[in-house]
Amino acid sequence: DSGVTQTPKHLITATGQRVTLRCSPRSGDLSVYWYQQSLDQGLQFLIQYYNGEERAKGNILERFSAQQFPDLHSELNLSSLELGDSALYFCASSARLAGNTDTQYFGPGTRLTVL
Amino acid sequence: GNSVTQMEGPVTLSEEAFLTINCTYTATGYPSLFWYVQYPGEGLQLLLKATKADDKGSNKGFEATYRKETTSFHLEKGSVQVSDSAVYFCALSGRRDSSYKLIFGSGTRLLVRP
Repeated sequence: DSGVTQTPKHLITATGQRVTLRCSPRSGDLSVYWYQQSLDQGLQFLIQYYNGEERAKGNILERFSAQQFPDLHSELNLSSLELGDSALYFCASSARLAGNTDTQYFGPGTRLTVL
Repeated sequence: GNSVTQMEGPVTLSEEAFLTINCTYTATGYPSLFWYVQYPGEGLQLLLKATKADDKGSNKGFEATYRKETTSFHLEKGSVQVSDSAVYFCALSGRRDSSYKLIFGSGTRLLVRP
């Protein structure tokens, strides 16, 4: 158990809908990262928050957005869903001092299926 | 930009065989290197890491050495078990755009047969 929790574990929805994925980082971790794992794109970085502020953006679509709340949990919002958005979405957190030596601890993921 | 290249899978081995999964990287500066493992139906778990040249990361019998001269971080294990069957991801982290995001290789599936 990494200490990172994600809900829900599975999500099935229809095209055009909007969903929210939730992540709680390890106790004390200030950085939260979101990644998408799909068969065709592999594991791709979406977005990072550090202590409530957006730190970096990766290959995140404009239909997607995220935020980190004062209690440090984070939510990833996906809207106008398309079939191609079906994927496994991971959240990861890292220690107080954000740096490239820090380990990112991953949650179990949310599997999104868009029908 | 930064990138990671892993050998294509699947890799199929018999129990107690020697394992090597090749990983090479392209990066500016001094990245940290990681191996993560994903068991069926589960999330990513850190297997080992190395943060500077010539460092050796090790865990559960797995080892990898950070080779700056060959830009490599190959994963090895002397004797694999059926329980090692999983997908292995090589990754790097280096500061870019104020982020320490992980950049992953495509993953290598390992299947160990009894």
